[in-house]
Amino acid sequence: DIQMTQSPSTLSASVGDRVTVTCRASQSVSIWLAWYQLKPGKAPKLLISKASSVESGVPSRFSGSGSGTEFTLTISSLQPDDFATYYCQQYDSYPRTFGQGTKVEIK
Amino acid sequence: EVRLLESGGGLVQPGGSLRLSCAVSGFTFSNYGMSWVRQAPGRGLEWVSTISGSGGNTYYADSVKGRFTTSRDNSRNRLFVQMSSLRAEDTAIYYCATDSGGSSSAWGQGSLVTVSS
Repeated sequence: DIQMTQSPSTLSASVGDRVTVTCRASQSVSIWLAWYQLKPGKAPKLLISKASSVESGVPSRFSGSGSGTEFTLTISSLQPDDFATYYCQQYDSYPRTFGQGTKVEIK
Repeated sequence: EVRLLESGGGLVQPGGSLRLSCAVSGFTFSNYGMSWVRQAPGRGLEWVSTISGSGGNTYYADSVKGRFTTSRDNSRNRLFVQMSSLRAEDTAIYYCATDSGGSSSAWGQGSLVTVSS
């Protein structure tokens, strides 16, 4: 199985900060990586697919990059609505696997 | 508007069974694979299962293989997961989600399954 490791597990930041979350795969997943945002009591929201393709309706401050085994999610200017937990998921092969999550907290 | 609505969750004893349903609308159901993803209390997201649009192919996490069966009824726009031999560690919110090439752009609100005596 492909293991996905996110860092950091928790990130404290202020509104307006540039935030970067890293996701590493235990073997290459090419570009088959998605990023999701999860807030308590709400359904997960797809932000980015194919490593860098931002979903329609997602603010332009979100971006993704990487391929192979190393990926990043960047929020260029953190907004109050962005405080949430972020997950990467590989879909190169089954079983699909998620990272353990990165909680973005208010500093 | 795309909508997914899970139902069938509740409290079940260890070793028991439960069937979750997911009713969908707003898109051509048979054109999409569908997945179940769960989140245990205080834990992260865990992929559970994916079924192809035709229903001919199913995939499962090792943690549920042999105990869970995912199926679909394309005539009724419904997705199902039959869960048996339930364990305490299966306690979670279960989400149904579309699967378009592997990523999930639409999700339901989730159905809580609690396995406890």
